[in-house]
Amino acid sequence: DAKTTQPTSMDCAEGRAANLPCNHSTISGNEYVYWYRQIHSQGPQYIIHGLKNNETNEMASLIITEDRKSSTLILPHATLRDTAVYYCIVRARALHNNDMRFGAGTRLTVKP
Amino acid sequence: NAGVTQTPKFQVLKTGQSMTLQCAQDMNHNSMYWYRQDPGMGLRLIYYSASEGTTDKGEVPNGYNVSRLNKREFSLRLESAAPSQTSVYFCASSEHGQINQPQHFGDGTRLSIL
Repeated sequence: DAKTTQPTSMDCAEGRAANLPCNHSTISGNEYVYWYRQIHSQGPQYIIHGLKNNETNEMASLIITEDRKSSTLILPHATLRDTAVYYCIVRARALHNNDMRFGAGTRLTVKP
Repeated sequence: NAGVTQTPKFQVLKTGQSMTLQCAQDMNHNSMYWYRQDPGMGLRLIYYSASEGTTDKGEVPNGYNVSRLNKREFSLRLESAAPSQTSVYFCASSEHGQINQPQHFGDGTRLSIL
């Protein structure tokens, strides 16, 4: 699987857009970009995923660069409840089938 | 709208005791997974079940057994618990296990082994 690089932590003001970057320069053509988040003491929560095109759902938008070497997760109007660790995962068919390889993630703190 | 339900939420065991962690999903998913999460290690796959009636080892299967009881339920058993198995255990499910299908996680079982 391609390795991902994310900032360790970020802050965002409540009500503003939160833009979380992820570098995945070694991504292959058949690998998907996934975003999850984990709020303290809860299980990982699926946010969004994409292959090549930008994606949007009720939670967030995913912007993938044309060369697919990086992506940005956008939370359009961050709230205090969005404070969490956000994981960018590049997913391919692994030796151990279907596992999700979570790295250290970005700790997002939304401030009033 | 329960999704993936894990029981118990917390458990303390003594070394050598056995226990079974339960997981059930109500999304009619075919594939189910067990992970453990340790500080600084991320999530590691223990076992998975691609479909009812099949199970396969993941990255760290030693010391564990699983049972896919039916389409809804996937249990994880520790036959003789060891302190190294102190961890947070997460169950997940996905529609068919394809890489373009997300996995949905439960809220975990926090297990301490003394």
